[in-house]
Amino acid sequence: EPEVTQTPSHQVTQMGQEVILRCVPISNHLYFYWYRQILGQKVEFLVSFYNNEISEKSEIFDDQFSVERPDGSNFTLKIRSTKLEDSAMYFCASSGGRDRVLDEQFFGPGTRLTVL
Amino acid sequence: SQQGEEDPQALSIQEGENATMNCSYKTSINNLQWYRQNSGRGLVHLILIRSNEREKHSGRLRVTLDTSKKSSSLLITASRAADTASYFCATGLGMDMGRRALTFGSGTRLQVQP
Repeated sequence: EPEVTQTPSHQVTQMGQEVILRCVPISNHLYFYWYRQILGQKVEFLVSFYNNEISEKSEIFDDQFSVERPDGSNFTLKIRSTKLEDSAMYFCASSGGRDRVLDEQFFGPGTRLTVL
Repeated sequence: SQQGEEDPQALSIQEGENATMNCSYKTSINNLQWYRQNSGRGLVHLILIRSNEREKHSGRLRVTLDTSKKSSSLLITASRAADTASYFCATGLGMDMGRRALTFGSGTRLQVQP
C-alpha cells in the first residue's frame, strides 16, 4: 500500500532559525496538505496545494510559512524564522489520485518540531 | 463554534466488547472522515462517509451519519487491544466546493483492556 513519508521524524531548532520539513506524497496524488498538532490540541489545517499553487490556507499560515513542490515527488514546508509556539507535530497529507476518492486524505507519520 | 467534537473524551472497555464514539459538528458538510492515531504517531484514515449516506461499513467498523442532527458515530465491534488509540472525526466541505481543508475534533481516547 503506497504511503506518505516525511523527514525528518524529529527536528530540533533554535528560535529564529529556518526549518524545512519534507514530505513525499503518494505518487499519483494531485492534492497536498500540511496540518499541525500542538501537543494535547486538535489537528489544525495549515495549507493545501494543487497544480503548483496554494489553493487554500488558514490564518495560521502567515508570511513565515511557505510551501514548495521542488520536483515531481517532494513537497516541503518552510518556516522562515521559527518561534517557540511553532513547536508541534507537522503532518503532510495527500489526496486525489486516479481511481481514488478525491476527498480521502492520507497522512504521513509526522515531523515533531521542537523550537528552543 | 467548535466543528467536530467527539464524545466521550475517553473510553475504556474490555477486549471483545464494542466501542462507540460520537462526533457532532456545527456547519453543513460534504463528507465526514474518521481517523485513528496511535500515541505520538501519524493519522491513519479509517473511513469516509458522504452527506448523502447514512451508514457505511468497513471490516469491524460501522459509521453512521445523521445530517439532521449533525452527528456521526463510529462503532468498533469485537474490540482488540490493538484498537487502543485516539480516534478523530474530521469534516470536509468537499472538493467541489473548492474547500479541501479538514476540520478535526478533539478526539476520543480508547483504551481496550486485554
